[in-house]
This record gives sequence, C-alpha cells and structure tokens, in this order.
Amino acid sequence: EVHLVESGGGLVQPGRSLRLSCAASGFTFDDYAMHWVRQAPGKGLEWVSGINWNSGSMGYADSVKGRFTISRDNAKNSLYLQMNSLRAEDTAFYYCAKGRGYSTSPADYWGQGTLVTVSS
Amino acid sequence: ETVLTQSPGTLSLSPGERATLSCRASQSVSSSYLAWYQQKPGQAPRLLIYGASSRATGIPDRFSGSGSGTDFTLTISRLEPEDFAVYFCQQYGSSPYTFGQGTKLDIK
Repeated sequence: EVHLVESGGGLVQPGRSLRLSCAASGFTFDDYAMHWVRQAPGKGLEWVSGINWNSGSMGYADSVKGRFTISRDNAKNSLYLQMNSLRAEDTAFYYCAKGRGYSTSPADYWGQGTLVTVSS
Repeated sequence: ETVLTQSPGTLSLSPGERATLSCRASQSVSSSYLAWYQQKPGQAPRLLIYGASSRATGIPDRFSGSGSGTDFTLTISRLEPEDFAVYFCQQYGSSPYTFGQGTKLDIK
C-alpha cells in the first residue's frame, strides 16, 4: 500500500526558511515522479513543484520560482521542499504526491499534508 | 502558464441525476494531459481521470472524462451520495502544472 507522510510544517516568520520532508513507502520510489501541491485553508489546489524519477527535471509554479527548491533522495525514499524567503501567502497545507509515471504525470497518491503558517 | 477555468462554480443536483462539469484551458493542453480530482472535506484529493478520459485505479465507471485541445468535461452518469464533493481539473502537459479553481457539487 502506498504511504506518504509529510513532516516539517509549522509556524515561521516572514522571510525565514523551512524544509518539508516526505517519507514514501509501499512502492518503488525511484520509478516515479513526485510532486508538492499546496492548498490554503478553504481555497483551491496549487501545484507547487515536481521532480522526475532521477532528479533530471524539475518544475516550479511561478509563485515560488527562485525561492523554493525540490529535491529527492532515492536511497532514502524521501522527497524534500526547501522553502526560503517565506511570505504570508505561502501559508497552506502542503501535500506530497506520487506521480503516476516516471516523468510527466498526474498525482495518483497523496499524503495527508502538513500545515505551514507564515506569520509574525 | 496555462490557465484552467472550471464551470459552473457550484452545481446543485440530486442523487441519481447526471452531472456535467467543464474545464476550459487558455491554450491547448499538450497530448490531452488533463486530469480530474475529487476532494472531500478534510481529505486529500483523489485522482479520478488522467489523459482526459482514462479512469484511475478503482474509480467507478459512472465517472467519465472527455475532451481535447482546450475543452474538457467530467461526467458523472448517476450521482451517488458519496459523489458530492469538490472537483478540480489539472493540466500536466506543460510546466507549471496548473489546476482549475474547482467546482463544488452539492446536494439539491
């Protein structure tokens, strides 16, 4: 059974940094692309970033480009999101999601999310 | 960036009725890389449809997707009580992989 568990969320001041982690199990991690998707409370979904199976290709939403960095460690079955220069508008639940394929693909399994609150 | 516009914003129907949800893209979606998700309160989204018309694993056949280019549709043939939720479309043909703003399907 696919299992994705996010961690690292919390309260952070504007301008500071935070690193999210996602521990994956139940599938061959290095065969699949991975994504981060966020959702502000009561709002819609926003794709934040994605990475292909071997870290050869990454993409970012315009709203986070230059501030956030996605990475993965296939040896540890883990996905990461380094978030720098955080803003109030980055406040959201952050979901880790598994891609359906090794590259261009939608998210077929999701974690339960971790809440990031950016506030002074 | 490809902007996705979903309509209607809210759809009020009764169990047993047919639901038709629309997703329109600001530019052609590459290779029909269009997905639909269902989200219930307090839960993570669930993938329903990928490639515009292929059902994801375990999705009942009352859910179907169609369309190409810039116009896509999710149809639920006969609504069950558990289908009342919010539905999002997403294009994953070109980065950034954008979502529509969602359609809320509620019970009439």
